[in-house]
Amino acid sequence: GNSVTQMEGPVTLSEEAFLTINCTYTATGYPSLFWYVQYPGEGLQLLLKATKADDKGSNKGFEATYRKETTSFHLEKGSVQVSDSAVYFCALNVGGSNYKLTFGKGTLLTVNP
Amino acid sequence: DGGITQSPKYLFRKEGQNVTLSCEQNLNHDAMYWYRQDPGQGLRLIYYSQIVNDFQKGDIAEGYSVSREKKESFPLTVTSAQKNPTAFYLCASSTLAPDTQYFGPGTRLTVL
Repeated sequence: GNSVTQMEGPVTLSEEAFLTINCTYTATGYPSLFWYVQYPGEGLQLLLKATKADDKGSNKGFEATYRKETTSFHLEKGSVQVSDSAVYFCALNVGGSNYKLTFGKGTLLTVNP
Repeated sequence: DGGITQSPKYLFRKEGQNVTLSCEQNLNHDAMYWYRQDPGQGLRLIYYSQIVNDFQKGDIAEGYSVSREKKESFPLTVTSAQKNPTAFYLCASSTLAPDTQYFGPGTRLTVL
């Protein structure tokens, strides 16, 4: 079956620090990969995505590269801000099976001033 | 503005009562989904629908029911058969292709 494993949190950083949140996956077929962000008390927002190997998704200073050889999709940001404090979810969707987004358990990020 | 609305934001229910959560979208999406979120467990799929008057069970459908009478609407009923209904419920929608799902703001259900 399909599964997503992401690093457990919580992760606490100081403002302007470098962020990495690891995500690895197992999937049948060729998945699309996503990072979603959830701010306190809100729904999920798509942060970035990549649909094929070696694609790089980027948005708001966040980046993640689809690495098929290591089955990974690690999220990075060079300089975090207090406003980046949220829960980050890695997810996958196997091509064509639109109904099935498989999520990791989420990583809580707290950025201190 | 296009988007997904869920109501109410907070909902309290007594044990033994059914309760219905609303989800409406004006994105003209064909597919709609319901997820349940519990602390430390990520999101789990309850039901999904890819066309009006048709829907399929997800991973944790027991104790829930849905309907899809209109393209824009996909209400979820949490029945008294659901043993542990206290959770945050998220509705999402998407086109049939590509595969990005867009989420509503969620409803937090608490059983008293």
